[in-house]
Amino acid sequence: DAKTTQPPSMDCAEGRAANLPCNHSTISGNEYVYWYRQIHSQGPQYIIHGLKNNETNEMASLIITEDRKSSTLILPHATLRDTAVYYCIVRVATSGTYKYIFGTGTRLKVLA
Amino acid sequence: GAGVSQSPSNKVTEKGKDVELRCDPISGHTALYWYRQSLGQGLEFLIYFQGNSAPDKSGLPSDRFSAERTGGSVSTLTIQRTQQEDSAVYLCASSVMGQGAYYEQYFGPGTRLTVT
Repeated sequence: DAKTTQPPSMDCAEGRAANLPCNHSTISGNEYVYWYRQIHSQGPQYIIHGLKNNETNEMASLIITEDRKSSTLILPHATLRDTAVYYCIVRVATSGTYKYIFGTGTRLKVLA
Repeated sequence: GAGVSQSPSNKVTEKGKDVELRCDPISGHTALYWYRQSLGQGLEFLIYFQGNSAPDKSGLPSDRFSAERTGGSVSTLTIQRTQQEDSAVYLCASSVMGQGAYYEQYFGPGTRLTVT
């Protein structure tokens, strides 16, 4: 199974862009990269996903390197409510569907 | 609509007792997943259900752990003879089936299990 490596923690000033890196050097060609976040005492919440192209939605942007060995989640204007643990996940196929392989995540603290 | 629900939200049990954790997935979601999150750790995959069958049980840590799903809906995770190392938050997720490009697991709030 592919695994991810993330820095354990990061700080970001409110209103600034938060750039969260992730290494997934053993990812296979058909395995997607997903990002979820977990706010204290809640279940993980979906943010964005991608295969090889950069992606953007209302929450964030995902930049994937050409060799697919790393990616960066960008929160363009971080707010205090974005303080959470952010998980970079590789989705692997299993028996007709998929399962997520979670890393230990990055604890993002947005500072006022 | 209603999301994934889990019960109880908190469970404290004595070492050696059995516990049952319940998950109600989103209606129409045929895939159901159990994960475990120990304090300060990431999520660890336990088991996955496709309908009522479990094609992937690879994450169950020991034979004290079992799970079932009935009617393609509610699932129960049972831990027998609980140990202190079983203390964790147990998270359930559900999704639609298939291997399309657009796919998302929806997580419940979790059950916090404390074994004393």
